[in-house]
Amino acid sequence: GAVVSQHPSWVICKSGTSVKIECRSLDFQATTMFWYRQFPKQSLMLMATSNEGSKATYEQGVEKDKFLINHASLTLSTLTVTSAHPEDSSFYICSASPLWSKNTEAFFGQGTRLTVV
Amino acid sequence: GEDVEQSLFLSVREGDSSVINCTYTDSSSTYLYWYKQEPGAGLQLLTYIFSNMDMKQDQRLTVLLNKKDKHLSLRIADTQTGDSAIYFCAERRGRDDKIIFGKGTRLHILP
Repeated sequence: GAVVSQHPSWVICKSGTSVKIECRSLDFQATTMFWYRQFPKQSLMLMATSNEGSKATYEQGVEKDKFLINHASLTLSTLTVTSAHPEDSSFYICSASPLWSKNTEAFFGQGTRLTVV
Repeated sequence: GEDVEQSLFLSVREGDSSVINCTYTDSSSTYLYWYKQEPGAGLQLLTYIFSNMDMKQDQRLTVLLNKKDKHLSLRIADTQTGDSAIYFCAERRGRDDKIIFGKGTRLHILP
């Protein structure tokens, strides 16, 4: 199957700093990638849709100035958590659908666990 | 409502079949998915079904779709200890192509 790689797998940062998370599709291209957030024992909450070459579309209640998304190429999207606070600690997961699948299949990265201290 | 609903827990004896149920909301959903998440890991796509299908079988996995009732189920035959995980049901909504997840069903395997 198609592989989506996230980096880093985990990160600990100080409150007030910014953290960048990368999402790469390793063996396919994707015009659209999705960013999710998962709180402990809860489902995945869609944060935003990342579109290659254009601005991301954010879900209601998600601060676009806090969660900066850049989709620079067909294989890379980045999520930057700016001025992180302890309440931003969470598990962040990205997904992508290969162009060849015509949006039938969605593959996920392994997730990034962010801990803000 | 807007939610995809699943029961939160299921306990099954090793060797028995597990059936995980899900109800979704969007009648125009194009695809429905089952994902598996092991502790601390990302999501693994197990299988998916197109909305105009009733059933899909893939080795030990059988997906049944009742479009009229918006009900989806995942049956795992001969459940093994390695099947212990959280299983997420998800729908790809027709109106905006977003994938919306249920809260996940934690499958616990009894010896």
